[in-house]
Amino acid sequence: GIQVEQSPPDLILQEGANSTLRCNFSDSVNNLQWFHQNPWGQLINLFYIPSGTKQNGRLSATTVATERYSLLYISSSQTTDSGVYFCAVTTSGTYKYIFGTGTRLKVLA
Amino acid sequence: NAGVTQTPKFQVLKTGQSMTLQCAQDMNHNSMYWYRQDPGMGLRLIYYSASEGTTDKGEVPNGYNVSRLNKREFSLRLESAAPSQTSVYFCASTGPPGGGGELFFGEGSRLTVL
Repeated sequence: GIQVEQSPPDLILQEGANSTLRCNFSDSVNNLQWFHQNPWGQLINLFYIPSGTKQNGRLSATTVATERYSLLYISSSQTTDSGVYFCAVTTSGTYKYIFGTGTRLKVLA
Repeated sequence: NAGVTQTPKFQVLKTGQSMTLQCAQDMNHNSMYWYRQDPGMGLRLIYYSASEGTTDKGEVPNGYNVSRLNKREFSLRLESAAPSQTSVYFCASTGPPGGGGELFFGEGSRLTVL
């Protein structure tokens, strides 16, 4: 099956810093989504982005499907950005959404 | 707008007991999913239902059964709970008939097996 690797596994930032999170996948995908899991365990939808670039406030994402990766950019980070960030993908012909390994982010005040 | 609703939110079982986790969505979605998340880990797919009347195994199906009761509801049953099934269980759904599309999650059900 498809392998979905995220990097870095852990990240500690000072408030106000910028960061880039990466999601690599081993096969072609037809759906890709980014989630934020907050410290209370809720999974929050950030971007549905099978290809191209999207922006929402301080967050933006880019997927280059032909090169099998996606990037999540966080600018001017805030303590509320802390938590775990996951990407999830499906491959063509399947309904299975498979999750990446996650990046644990801690933003210090 | 309720979205995806899971019950119960918390449950403690003894080894060997059975229980059913319930999930319902009100977004008229076709596909529904059950995931488990162990402490400090990612989400692993247990079972999914691409459409009403169909179910398929995910990455970690052993020890579980599912029922797609109708288009709205997808239940997960543990017939004989084991301590290794202590986890947080998430239900999710997505809309398009061909599968995929944006995935929406419930708030999770925390299960402890003693």
